[in-house]
Amino acid sequence: AQKVTQAQTEISVVEKEDVTLDCVYETRDTTYYLFWYKQPPSGELVFLIRRNSFDEQNEISGRYSWNFQKSTSSFNFTITASQVVDSAVYFCALRGGRSGYSTLTFGKGTMLLVSP
Amino acid sequence: GAGVSQSPRYKVAKRGQDVALRCDPISGHVSLFWYQQALGQGPEFLTYFQNEAQLDKSGLPSDRFFAERPEGSVSTLKIQRTQQEDSAVYLCASSLGQGNNQPQHFGDGTRLSIL
Repeated sequence: AQKVTQAQTEISVVEKEDVTLDCVYETRDTTYYLFWYKQPPSGELVFLIRRNSFDEQNEISGRYSWNFQKSTSSFNFTITASQVVDSAVYFCALRGGRSGYSTLTFGKGTMLLVSP
Repeated sequence: GAGVSQSPRYKVAKRGQDVALRCDPISGHVSLFWYQQALGQGPEFLTYFQNEAQLDKSGLPSDRFFAERPEGSVSTLKIQRTQQEDSAVYLCASSLGQGNNQPQHFGDGTRLSIL
């Protein structure tokens, strides 16, 4: 069974603050894939990043960075110098298995509100 | 088109009516998925197609839900005898290949309201 927990339901920050969105996952698979998606008010889920379980390098893309800690089963997402356009619901998701088919399991999401 | 296209964007139906939701995936994408997203929740898996074959329908909540992808491109999700609990956003996603590492690309969704 797979499970993704996003304990933060809603976070409010002021523009230019840094913010970290937490994601904790559970899986029995030894190989798995973690994803982050952004859902703005328009509704479309926008793919942000994929992380393989066998690659623990952290990644930075502009103002976005991701911290993968296999030892604590966490895959946290940090936005540096937040902007109003970052306001959205962010979902962490997990898909297990190197081969064969498995479903994509989402957390409940964290709503980020960035005010000017 | 460049992305996944879903129609209609909004659908209002009376309880008991049948509805059909359309998904046009990214051209060339082999895999197609349907999800149901309740208010304030993450998307929940409904069904999966690889080309025209429906390989997983374990997430369909009842036999009132039916999906098809007859030619391996456009897919339709049909809900018969709709109930109020069917009100949700229905999301379609596609991916280029069939591996579990493939990112899924989502459409804007169809917001279904059952009165």
